[in-house]
Amino acid sequence: DGGITQSPKYLFRKEGQNVTLSCEQNLNHDAMYWYRQDPGQGLRLIYYSQIVNDFQKGDIAEGYSVSREKKESFPLTVTSAQKNPTAFYLCASRQKGGRVGELFFGEGSRLTVL
Amino acid sequence: AQKITQTQPGMFVQEKEAVTLDCTYDTSDQSYGLFWYKQPSSGEMIFLIYQGSYDEQNATEGRYSLNFQKARKSANLVISASQLGDSAMYFCAMREPVSGGYNKLIFGAGTRLAVHP
Repeated sequence: DGGITQSPKYLFRKEGQNVTLSCEQNLNHDAMYWYRQDPGQGLRLIYYSQIVNDFQKGDIAEGYSVSREKKESFPLTVTSAQKNPTAFYLCASRQKGGRVGELFFGEGSRLTVL
Repeated sequence: AQKITQTQPGMFVQEKEAVTLDCTYDTSDQSYGLFWYKQPSSGEMIFLIYQGSYDEQNATEGRYSLNFQKARKSANLVISASQLGDSAMYFCAMREPVSGGYNKLIFGAGTRLAVHP
C-alpha cells in the first residue's frame, strides 16, 4: 500500500546529542513537509521541500536540518542547538496538482530528551 | 499573517448526536482553502473535508459537513450522528501559498472531542 513511513516511532535522546528522524514515502509525491506538535498547540512547520535537492525553512527551523537527496526521502535531524526538542514530529507529503492543499501524513515520531 | 483560531480545547457529545467544532480564521487573501483533519490517539493526521473560498456550497463528506460563513470568517465542522470512533483531536487548517505552486498548511490549536455512549 502507498503511504508515508516514519521511523522510529519513539526515540529517546540525551541532551547534546543529534538525532535523525526518517521519513519515506512511496506515493510519488513531489512535496514533503516536517511539522512539530506540542501539547495544546497545533502543528508548526519546520521545513518543507518541493523538489529534490531543494528545501525551505518553515516557521520554526532553528535547531533543525533536513536533506532531500531522493524524491521519496526527507530525513529531519534534530540538532543539539534545538533548545526544547521533546515533541511529536509529523512528516507529510503532497502531490502538485492533487486535491488542493491536501497533505498525507505519516504516523509520527515521538522524541523525548532525557 | 494568516491565523487559525479554535477556541474549544475540549468538547463532549453523546453518541448518535450531532456536534459542531468551531474554527475562525484570519487572512487578507481572496483565494484560500480551509481543511479539517482528525488525529486519533495513534497520532496520524486524517484528512476529513476541504472548503475553497470560492465554493458556493458548503462542503460535505459523509457525516462531516463544513459550515462556511465567509463574512464571519468561520469554518465550523459539523459531525452528524457521532460515533465512539469519532473521539479524537480535530484540527482546522488553512492553506498558505508558497512560491513554486505548492502550499503549506497552518493549523489551529485543535479541539479534543470525546464521544460518550
